[in-house]
Amino acid sequence: TQLLEQSPQFLSIQEGENLTVYCNSSSVFSSLQWYRQEPGEGPVLLVTVVTGGEVKKLKRLTFQFGDARKDSSLHITAAQPGDTGLYLCAGSMTTDSWGKFQFGAGTQVVVTP
Amino acid sequence: DSGVTQTPKHLITATGQRVTLRCSPRSGDLSVYWYQQSLDQGLQFLIQYYNGEERAKGNILERFSAQQFPDLHSELNLSSLELGDSALYFCASSSSGTTPSEQYFGPGTRLTVT
Repeated sequence: TQLLEQSPQFLSIQEGENLTVYCNSSSVFSSLQWYRQEPGEGPVLLVTVVTGGEVKKLKRLTFQFGDARKDSSLHITAAQPGDTGLYLCAGSMTTDSWGKFQFGAGTQVVVTP
Repeated sequence: DSGVTQTPKHLITATGQRVTLRCSPRSGDLSVYWYQQSLDQGLQFLIQYYNGEERAKGNILERFSAQQFPDLHSELNLSSLELGDSALYFCASSSSGTTPSEQYFGPGTRLTVT
């Protein structure tokens, strides 16, 4: 059972367009992370959010953690082909154990020139 | 390059067999995590070790076991292999053993069970 639901599953856009991917849960998470994974490689951490309502920016990427800490979004402005990859959200319901750490199924993003 | 190394890169074996996957964490990292990634299940947390001790268990089958050695490298042992065990197995490491922390993932071992 996926506690973290990501949408959409797949997104194909043209270079220069904006996109938003979502990560939703019915559970409260103590922290949430976003990763990007490229084919044949392991996931790479993009950001960690821990406070409800928190917004973090990483160049053209904007991450938001919901006020209730049950959802998060990733917005990419003016997408570039280098943004292509599988975007994964991951969260933990506790702060002292990885036992309940879970990944969402991911959103595959393709940015074409 | 994350600094985490995994061997072998690819492994093909038959059902019923046993394999060992190896992981060397980044220099200085005490915590090692193992994950399984398959098309139908996504990325699943299996187990965590911190400084040689098991710290947390996720969705790890009883046929699977792991350990972390004094030099901090870790091995994941998979036995009585089934077709459904075919997947990418990732190791990650971090300096902290608690959540959240920044995990660095290795390149993975692709296991194919025939």
